[in-house]
Amino acid sequence: GDSVTQMEGPVTLSEEAFLTINCTYTATGYPSLFWYVQYPGEGLQLLLKATKADDKGSNKGFEATYRKETTSFHLEKGSVQVSDSAVYFCALTGNQFYFGTGTSLTVIP
Amino acid sequence: GAGVSQSPRYKVAKRGQDVALRCDPISGHVSLFWYQQALGQGPEFLTYFQNEAQLDKSGLPSDRFFAERPEGSVSTLKIQRTQQEDSAVYLCASSLERTLFFGEGSRLTVL
Repeated sequence: GDSVTQMEGPVTLSEEAFLTINCTYTATGYPSLFWYVQYPGEGLQLLLKATKADDKGSNKGFEATYRKETTSFHLEKGSVQVSDSAVYFCALTGNQFYFGTGTSLTVIP
Repeated sequence: GAGVSQSPRYKVAKRGQDVALRCDPISGHVSLFWYQQALGQGPEFLTYFQNEAQLDKSGLPSDRFFAERPEGSVSTLKIQRTQQEDSAVYLCASSLERTLFFGEGSRLTVL
């Protein structure tokens, strides 16, 4: 069945460091891919999405490219800030929405 | 409303009590989902509505869990005879164009 696998955390980075959080997926058909972010005590917020192969989603300096050939949707940011500290979830829509287990990011000044 | 609204935000129940969690989706969103999120985990699917029809309830963990959306707008997730393992955050989301929009969740603690 459809599923998402994302890199385990926690991840700790210094401010202005480069961020990559890996996400790979298994799906039949042509899913849409998403990154959601969850700040402490809050619900999940949509960060970015891509709906077809080679699409790049971007928002708030974060980017991810839908790679069909490697079934991946890795999240990247060139220079992280303390305010980016949160849990990040990769997700896909097949027949349903499927979420990864989340990657906790802590950015230290 | 502007976003998905859930209430209560926090609920403490004694084991064996019944609880009801409410979700008010974004106006006009036809699809509504309930998820359960255990501590440190990703959201796990519980059930899905399209308008008032419950199209998928395969994720409900037991027959103590029941969801309804009688008029195709507000939804209620009810848990009967709560157990400690029901402690979790219950997330509601409504959907537009295959994108989920989440509420802030209801954190249930069963003592």
